[in-house]
Order: sequence, then structure tokens, then C-alpha cells
Amino acid sequence: GAGVSQSPSNKVTEKGKDVELRCDPISGHTALYWYRQSLGQGLEFLIYFQGNSAPDKSGLPSDRFSAERTGGSVSTLTIQRTQQEDSAVYLCASSLNEGGGYTFGSGTRLTVV
Amino acid sequence: QKEVEQDPGPLSVPEGAIVSLNCTYSNSAFQYFMWYRQYSRKGPELLMYTYSSGNKEDGRFTAQVDKSSKYISLFIRDSQPSDSATYLCAIRNTGTASKLTFGTGTRLQVTL
Repeated sequence: GAGVSQSPSNKVTEKGKDVELRCDPISGHTALYWYRQSLGQGLEFLIYFQGNSAPDKSGLPSDRFSAERTGGSVSTLTIQRTQQEDSAVYLCASSLNEGGGYTFGSGTRLTVV
Repeated sequence: QKEVEQDPGPLSVPEGAIVSLNCTYSNSAFQYFMWYRQYSRKGPELLMYTYSSGNKEDGRFTAQVDKSSKYISLFIRDSQPSDSATYLCAIRNTGTASKLTFGTGTRLQVTL
């Protein structure tokens, strides 16, 4: 596609439920990143994929968070047993190669009630 | 201390003013410097990308890097209401992965 596509754009879930967030990067972009943006906190790095492997997952805040990427394309970020502190905007970005400028999607706004 | 510090604002200026946005960083390994613009409920959009000390100009925007002071700036000339957005600095080093470290963002409002 022309840009990075994220779905859903908004998600409201009950505390304790699992959620899956999807990212469709720009075709041909080998690098894919997940960030989390909370009010007043800036963008917090979660995980980086090069192809299907994740050389840096140091930003995942707990073992409730996991991500995968298949076919060097679509990525899914899964949050298990959601907590209220997980409420944030989850942003995905891709770049043509490592070190390039990122192109971000519009994000998924997650609200845990 | 955060790796990247940025004044959150908000910063309000009249149309036509020159805007100066700044970040400081602590890690001298950082070598690549970017500025992103983020409109409300949108993802950040890359504005400027530089890797050397000095100035880089693109239209009304000038990015300035001073590695000796660990200080980066974005100047916006002849500011327009459409420039109203949050501006984020982003920095990375030359090491593995290409994780960007972001500032918290400065909210800019350009008034008529």
C-alpha cells in the first residue's frame, strides 16, 4: 500500500481481555517498529523487526506483550490480560532498511476500561 | 536523566513568526538526528533528517545540530497556522538496530 496501515484505529477493551493490533507496512520495507505513545510520555520503543526476526525486543514492558511478523510483511502486537496502564496509542512504523527514516501509521488508540 | 530532553510547551506564536524548537541529548554516540511533525490523532511525519553538525535547510525549515553541546534545533520561518502540531526530535546512534529515541514533543500553536 501507499502508507503504513494499522487496524483497528480504535479499540476499547475490558481489563483482563487480550487484544491484537495489526500493522501492514509499506510494501518492500524490511524494517518494522512498534512504539507506544502515552500522554506526556513521548514515544516509547517496544520492538524492532528486520524481516521476520526481532533483533531488539528490549522495549516490551512485560511478558504480557508479544509481537510477530510473518512473510516479512504484516506484524501483530498482542497484549494479554490487558491492564489500565496499557491504555495508549500504539504506533507502527516501517523503513526501507535499517537506519532509514521511518514512515509511521496513524496508530491504534487502545483504551482499557 | 532522560536520554533526550525536550520542552513540552505549549508554544504559541503569531502567524509569520520564527519558531525555535530545541532538544538536548546525553549520549555522545547519537549520530543521526531527525525532526518529526505530528498532527492530532495522526502518526508522526518525518520533516528533517541529518547526521552532521551544522545546518540543513528545506524550505521554511532549518535543522541545526551542535554535537559538541549535544543540542539540536528546528527553526520554522514564516510560521503558518498549518504548522500547528506537535514536533518531536528523534535521535539514534550508529549501533545495532535502528531504534529511534524520541523527545516528548513540543506542542506548537500558530495563531492568526
